[in-house]
Amino acid sequence: GAGVSQSPRYKVAKRGQDVALRCDPISGHVSLFWYQQALGQGPEFLTYFQNEAQLDKSGLPSDRFFAERPEGSVSTLKIQRTQQEDSAVYLCAAGGANTEAFFGQGTRLTVV
Amino acid sequence: QKEVEQDPGPLSVPEGAIVSLNCTYSNSAFQYFMWYRQYSRKGPELLMYTYSSGNKEDGRFTAQVDKSSKYISLFIRDSQPSDSATYLCAMRGDTGRRALTFGSGTRLQVQP
Repeated sequence: GAGVSQSPRYKVAKRGQDVALRCDPISGHVSLFWYQQALGQGPEFLTYFQNEAQLDKSGLPSDRFFAERPEGSVSTLKIQRTQQEDSAVYLCAAGGANTEAFFGQGTRLTVV
Repeated sequence: QKEVEQDPGPLSVPEGAIVSLNCTYSNSAFQYFMWYRQYSRKGPELLMYTYSSGNKEDGRFTAQVDKSSKYISLFIRDSQPSDSATYLCAMRGDTGRRALTFGSGTRLQVQP
């Protein structure tokens, strides 16, 4: 949606493996969000960036989850020592400072 | 109890029917209300956006917000098979926190 690109689209990880998920918004997307969507559920908020500043990380479920956006554009969500309960679709959304964000297609993570 | 409740469906209607989708919520601080459409294996797409109470119409779609009852609705007129998707309500407050709280989604099937 509106130029928010996520990669990879699908990721299979063995339990205990570290993964990195990428979100690439178009230039000018000041706000960037990460959400986690379990099967049959609505997205749940993980974290929010305004430019490079991580203003809200209250939704990160544990210290195994870490997100960064060092130059205020591309963002990476990293999950360390993946567990089966981490299996979900991870959605990135990006937009202007005062507009609602557009979602990417998501990364489907399966932990086996 | 979740902050936002939404009937998961599935809701099956014949082509041309009027569809009514609803959400209730408990947090009186919510001021912005959205409806997203999500096709299978895609990211959510913003359909309607309403601030505070009232109605908003866009083509075949009408969004209603009743803050006194903490109840929001989306109506789809002249439903088409291409409307078959999961519909997610989402909302947030008026203050600095921009994270959205989503319902769990209602799966709609429009039969040709």
